[in-house]
Amino acid sequence: GAGVSQSPSNKVTEKGKDVELRCDPISGHTALYWYRQSLGQGLEFLIYFQGNSAPDKSGLPSDRFSAERTGGSVSTLTIQRTQQEDSAVYLCASSLYSSARSTDTQYFGPGTRLTVL
Amino acid sequence: AQSVTQLGSHVSVSEGALVLLRCNYSSSVPPYLFWYVQYPNQGLQLLLKYTSAATLVKGINGFEAEFKKSETSFHLTKPSAHMSDAAEYFCAADTGGGNKLTFGTGTQLKVEL
Repeated sequence: GAGVSQSPSNKVTEKGKDVELRCDPISGHTALYWYRQSLGQGLEFLIYFQGNSAPDKSGLPSDRFSAERTGGSVSTLTIQRTQQEDSAVYLCASSLYSSARSTDTQYFGPGTRLTVL
Repeated sequence: AQSVTQLGSHVSVSEGALVLLRCNYSSSVPPYLFWYVQYPNQGLQLLLKYTSAATLVKGINGFEAEFKKSETSFHLTKPSAHMSDAAEYFCAADTGGGNKLTFGTGTQLKVEL
């Protein structure tokens, strides 16, 4: 079956513009995660969805960042008024997640490389 | 808070030599531990995971890792390196609460002829 897909694969934008990054999880996966990978910070957790709700938004770096998930499937990460420090690879992952201490595996998409000029 | 430490941001081995990538975690409660590999311009691929069932975990591509509670370590090994193993390797921990992963800073493995 298809894995996690993300679009676009690359996005170049100007400082101050808004961007939307999309994630299509593996069909049937109830949990969805966004991570950011940057040179200075490594891999950081941003937000986690269980179904359409986000119990943990603790990793969102500022109120310019938001995410939603609809129909328990596709998720969109929106960055408003982009700054140069937002340049990074944004990775999405999904998992089955069947319990609070689940050992489900997170499957990662290829990422979206965001460059803010 | 859980943290994951990977010693050595760059490791270089000869083809056919032993690969040893180090990972230590900090937690009073043993977490679930993972090793992921990332090839250039690709996402993360799971190599193996520790879920308390067995301390020696075998993964894909000939990799294995041993969980040592006394040392809070989960080092990744492969007996014989292959050129195709050149990639970046990440150790990660999940201590529950939504299963978000805390990653180490990664180790870039270089395999030389």
